[in-house]
Amino acid sequence: EVVLTQSPNFQSVTPKEKVTITCRASQAVGSSLHWYQKKTDQSPKLLIKYASQSVSGVPSRFSGSGSGTDFTLTINSLEAEDAAVYFCHQSYDSHTFGQGTKLEI
Amino acid sequence: EVQLLESGGGLVHPGGSLRLSCAASGFDFSNHAMTWVRQAPGKGLEWVSSISGSGGSIYYADSVKGRFTISRDSSRDTLYLQMSNLRAGDTAVYHCARLPLELGVLEPFDFWGNGSLVTVSS
Repeated sequence: EVVLTQSPNFQSVTPKEKVTITCRASQAVGSSLHWYQKKTDQSPKLLIKYASQSVSGVPSRFSGSGSGTDFTLTINSLEAEDAAVYFCHQSYDSHTFGQGTKLEI
Repeated sequence: EVQLLESGGGLVHPGGSLRLSCAASGFDFSNHAMTWVRQAPGKGLEWVSSISGSGGSIYYADSVKGRFTISRDSSRDTLYLQMSNLRAGDTAVYHCARLPLELGVLEPFDFWGNGSLVTVSS
């Protein structure tokens, strides 16, 4: 099983700050790594697919990079509405998820 | 607008059964593979099962194989998860989610439902 480890688990941030969340895979997953946002009482929302591909309707301040085992989600100029849990997901070998990163703004 | 609405959750005794439903709307249901993902209290997300658009290809996590059955009814635009021989470890919020392709199950999940809580307890 591919284990995904995110860091940090929690981050307190301020508006307009730049935030970086990392996701490390226990084995190479190519570019089959996706990022989601989950707000309280809402369903998860796909933010970035295949490591760096944008998703229609997602603000351009969200971007992703990486391949193989190391991946990064970057949020530029953070907004208050970005308070949420962010998690990564690999679909290279079945499906597994990171433990999540809670952003408090 | 794509919408996925789960129902059927509740409290069940160990060894019991429950069927979850996921009503889909806003897209051509038969053109998309679908999946179930669960999250136990205080734990991370766990993939449970996936089914192709036609229902001809089905996959299960080892933790539920032989106990859970995924199915779909294109006439009702509804996805199901029949759960039997339930254990305390199956307690979780169960989400249904859509995949972007009919056949591909190794894809991102592009739309999710809010989830339905299943509690297994005596």
